[in-house]
Amino acid sequence: DAGVIQSPRHEVTEMGQEVTLRCKPISGHNSLFWYRQTMMRGLELLIYFNNNVPIDDSGMPEDRFSAKMPNASFSTLKIQPSEPRDSAVYFCASSLALGKQPQHFGDGTRLSIL
Amino acid sequence: GENVEQHPSTLSVQEGDSAVIKCTYSDSASNYFPWYKQELGKGPQLIIDIRSNVGEKKDQRIAVTLNKTAKHFSLHITETQPEDSAVYFCAASIQGGKLIFGQGTELSVKP
Repeated sequence: DAGVIQSPRHEVTEMGQEVTLRCKPISGHNSLFWYRQTMMRGLELLIYFNNNVPIDDSGMPEDRFSAKMPNASFSTLKIQPSEPRDSAVYFCASSLALGKQPQHFGDGTRLSIL
Repeated sequence: GENVEQHPSTLSVQEGDSAVIKCTYSDSASNYFPWYKQELGKGPQLIIDIRSNVGEKKDQRIAVTLNKTAKHFSLHITETQPEDSAVYFCAASIQGGKLIFGQGTELSVKP
């Protein structure tokens, strides 16, 4: 079975540029989560969707961050404009449903903003 | 809000020994507790989970215990092997389905 697929795996760009991270959840999973991982702050939940609808975006750090889920098989996380402090590994995860269900993670996008 | 504390932050054991990682949580409504293993360059992978109506769960060399009264849960790895070396995260699920993660434990198993 294909797991959660994220692209690109690595992204290096200059500050001020727009960055778009992509995620394909596991087929049949109804919930999708975006996380950010840094040494200082660990794993932080940014936003999550259920049935393509954003449920909680309280973890999104600033208005420069936005996320969409136009259909059940695709989601994007966009940063515009990007800043060096946005450098981190961004993970997407999906689960069958919200609640007592395991979340399955992709292998992440390592983002470096110069 | 929910807070999950994880200890120790680093753990070094000899191959064949046992390893124990402990987590405490603050929200008594938390009802689902997964454990993840993260290897370098990879995403966290679920290794075992436990729900609040169960006190203990075992899967081969891995076991998890839950004490709801004390609000703590632990991961036990027996007969450790070098391939168990990784960063381990505990998490607690709060109402609404959010997972709150601990800070991680870097486990090193020395051959």
